[in-house]
Amino acid sequence: SQQGEEDPQALSIQEGENATMNCSYKTSINNLQWYRQNSGRGLVHLILIRSNEREKHSGRLRVTLDTSKKSSSLLITASRAADTASYFCAYNRGGFKTIFGAGTRLFVKA
Amino acid sequence: DAGVTQSPTHLIKTRGQQVTLRCSPKSGHDTVSWYQQALGQGPQFIFQYYEEEERQRGNFPDRFSGHQFPNYSSELNVNALLLGDSALYLCASTKWTRADNSPLHFGNGTRLTVT
Repeated sequence: SQQGEEDPQALSIQEGENATMNCSYKTSINNLQWYRQNSGRGLVHLILIRSNEREKHSGRLRVTLDTSKKSSSLLITASRAADTASYFCAYNRGGFKTIFGAGTRLFVKA
Repeated sequence: DAGVTQSPTHLIKTRGQQVTLRCSPKSGHDTVSWYQQALGQGPQFIFQYYEEEERQRGNFPDRFSGHQFPNYSSELNVNALLLGDSALYLCASTKWTRADNSPLHFGNGTRLTVT
């Protein structure tokens, strides 16, 4: 079963707007990652934030991590139609397994 | 530099049959993980192979088995197929480090349909 949860499950916005997706988890973690998946294809790694980091940026992406609340958020600024995809948070607890959430489906209208 | 490749891309099988899916990791990677992704869900961890051995396993029955070859490529075998095994099967590779921070590189998956 999934051990991470994304919120919202689906998000529809206009091009140029910002998109914010949230992720909650239930255990202590070593790091948290965000992945993107286009329509039934493989996942692509976007960004990794370590448990001792609070915020990280990569281009139009901004990720925050609050280990006290066991939550993370992914912000995509100035969204484009090409950002339409499913976004997953994933984390490691120290073993070899990366655990994925159920994902947020983002639709950006042109 | 080839990324992760999986074959076949699509497969249709009948209940009770057996299936073998194949994966070649990204060049330089030595660790292969397999995931099952049902429609509208996130990937579920099946198992991970490193140095030709299963290193960790998720909550999947023994009908799911795997193998890793000396060249790091891997196979996923599923016996006695059930309708519920219909899913996208994803292979992911990484170069293992003690730091535990290596992101996964995914193939485009094999879409398995069981009828």
